[in-house]
Amino acid sequence: DVKVTQSSRYLVKRTGEKVFLECVQDMDHENMFWYRQDPGLGLRLIYFSYDVKMKEKGDIPEGYSVSREKKERFSLILESASTNQTSMYLCASSLFRGGATEAFFGQGTRLTVV
Amino acid sequence: AQSVAQPEDQVNVAEGNPLTVKCTYSVSGNPYLFWYVQYPNRGLQFLLKYITGDNLVKGSYGFEAEFNKSQTSFHLKKPSALVSDSALYFCAVRDSNRDDKIIFGKGTRLHILP
Repeated sequence: DVKVTQSSRYLVKRTGEKVFLECVQDMDHENMFWYRQDPGLGLRLIYFSYDVKMKEKGDIPEGYSVSREKKERFSLILESASTNQTSMYLCASSLFRGGATEAFFGQGTRLTVV
Repeated sequence: AQSVAQPEDQVNVAEGNPLTVKCTYSVSGNPYLFWYVQYPNRGLQFLLKYITGDNLVKGSYGFEAEFNKSQTSFHLKKPSALVSDSALYFCAVRDSNRDDKIIFGKGTRLHILP
């Protein structure tokens, strides 16, 4: 089974802190994604990556950056956390770039910025 | 631009009755369509997908979905609902003309009443 692991289930950070959310997948998937989930808004794509050191902006990249130094690891970085970044963050991976391959999700990180 | 709409925020169904969760989509090319389920405080779990071929797709936990090209719909169905089906359901689409993003709907909360 594919396993996507997010480093933390719950995080509480202070406004202005630099925050790192880590995600690791163990099935040699090419694609990795970061979404945030908010009530009534569903899942919104922040960034995605289809190869090491490659990244593409999603629909809401402002205030975020990403890093993919190794194929299995995709990190989301909040350069200066703000209260409006309080949310559930979901990492996902899929086998190929494009095509009909489904995404596999981690368990999510609930981030609270105070 | 590709998009997904789930017109119902919440659907209530009595246990044992058939259920339908609605989804419509918009893409420029051919669609790859997906359904996911999310239980409380968990990540998303893949249920089923449509690639091509038979318009009726069967998936996990007795769920199925019907692809209708003329109505650009991909409704999720189950002949007999269980209380344990209560969860948040997401429809998603990937455009065959674009090999990158998977776009999700806002989600529909399904309540199965005992």
